[in-house]
This record gives sequence, C-alpha cells and structure tokens, in this order.
Amino acid sequence: KQEVTQIPAALSVPEGENLVLNCSFTDSAIYNLQWFRQDPGKGLTSLLLIQSSQREQTSGRLNASLDKSSGRSTLYIAASQPGDSATYLCAVTTLLRVRDNYGQNFVFGPGTRLSVLP
Amino acid sequence: DAGVIQSPRHEVTEMGQEVTLRCKPISGHDYLFWYRQTMMRGLELLIYFNNNVPIDDSGMPEDRFSAKMPNASFSTLKIQPSEPRDSAVYFCASRASGTGIFDTIYFGEGSWLTVV
Repeated sequence: KQEVTQIPAALSVPEGENLVLNCSFTDSAIYNLQWFRQDPGKGLTSLLLIQSSQREQTSGRLNASLDKSSGRSTLYIAASQPGDSATYLCAVTTLLRVRDNYGQNFVFGPGTRLSVLP
Repeated sequence: DAGVIQSPRHEVTEMGQEVTLRCKPISGHDYLFWYRQTMMRGLELLIYFNNNVPIDDSGMPEDRFSAKMPNASFSTLKIQPSEPRDSAVYFCASRASGTGIFDTIYFGEGSWLTVV
C-alpha cells in the first residue's frame, strides 16, 4: 500500500530565505508526482507535475525534483515571500487494476504548513 | 472556464439528516474525484468516475455514503444518515484523460460539512 509522508510538518522562515520541502513515498512504481498548494479555506492548486520519467520541473521560483528509486521528491522555493505562506502537499499517482479497468490511485501526503514572515 | 464548482460551500446539519453535496467538473474533463479532508486523516480519495462510470469506490467509508454521476457535468455525494464523524471538508476534483499536462488535477473549493 502506497504511503506518502512529508517533512517537516510545519516550517516558519523569514522572508527571502530559500527553503526545501520534502516528500517520501514507499512504492517507487509511480506514474507521476504532483505538488499542490492549499490556502486556508480553499481547495488545492496544482503547482508542478513531474512524470515518472522526469527528474525535475521548474516554474518560476519553484523547482521540484524526483528520485523515483529512493522514493523522494523535494520542492525548492527560492527567495520566499509572505504570499508563499500556505500548506504544500505532494501526491503520487500509481496505476492499478480495478475490476476490469485500469485506474489511477492518488495518494496525498499530510502536507507541510509554511509560514513566511515579513 | 469557471473551474470545478461545488455546492454548498458550507453546511451545518443535525445528526441523522441526509446531506447532498454537488459538483460540476470542468467542461471536457472525463475524470471526476471525490475527496474528504480531515485533520486526523488528511486527504482521502472516496470514489472516482471515468466517463460517468464509477471506477473505484473502495474509499467510500460505509454504506451511508453514495455517489452518482448522471451526466458529464454533474455529480453528487450523498450521506444518509449523517453522523458527527462525517464532519470534514469534501472536495471534488476533475481532470482530462491523456498524458503530460492533462494529468493535472483541478480541485473545487470544497464543501465544509459540520454534523452536530
């Protein structure tokens, strides 16, 4: 059974710092990995998606890496800003057979709550 | 596109009452997911549909929960009878089939359910 963990559970940094969020998963047979951001009282917004054949993806100040063999992904945020304060979740997708179909199973980590102080 | 639309945004109901949550996926998306989020258990996949057909409902907690997708633009999640432990945020999400960028899943803003 796929399990996803995230470290740290919470992080508080001063504005301008570079930071790294960590995600680990137990089953390396994944289809892709996504990083999401969740603001209080809101849904999840996809930030980056890394296919299983890729090693990293970049979007602006965000860079996500994937090491499938070791079951790890990191989200790097450069020059953090107060507006980056949110909960960041990673989710892995695995393919599985359900009855007569192949489906996708999404497993989310518990998230890292980030506070960037002005 | 307006994104994934959920209703109601907030609901407070008494134990034993029936609760119906509604979702309109993004037009053209053929996958629809229902998730539940709590502090204790995080985000859990309850059920998902492909082309209006339920594919995996193994996450549905018990028979009190049911979900339907009568057409490509509407889905419901029903709890009958509701219990206080059902209090959570229920998210609907959708995505298009395909690979690459189509794997991105889009979430609604959630339905906040409180059962007293």
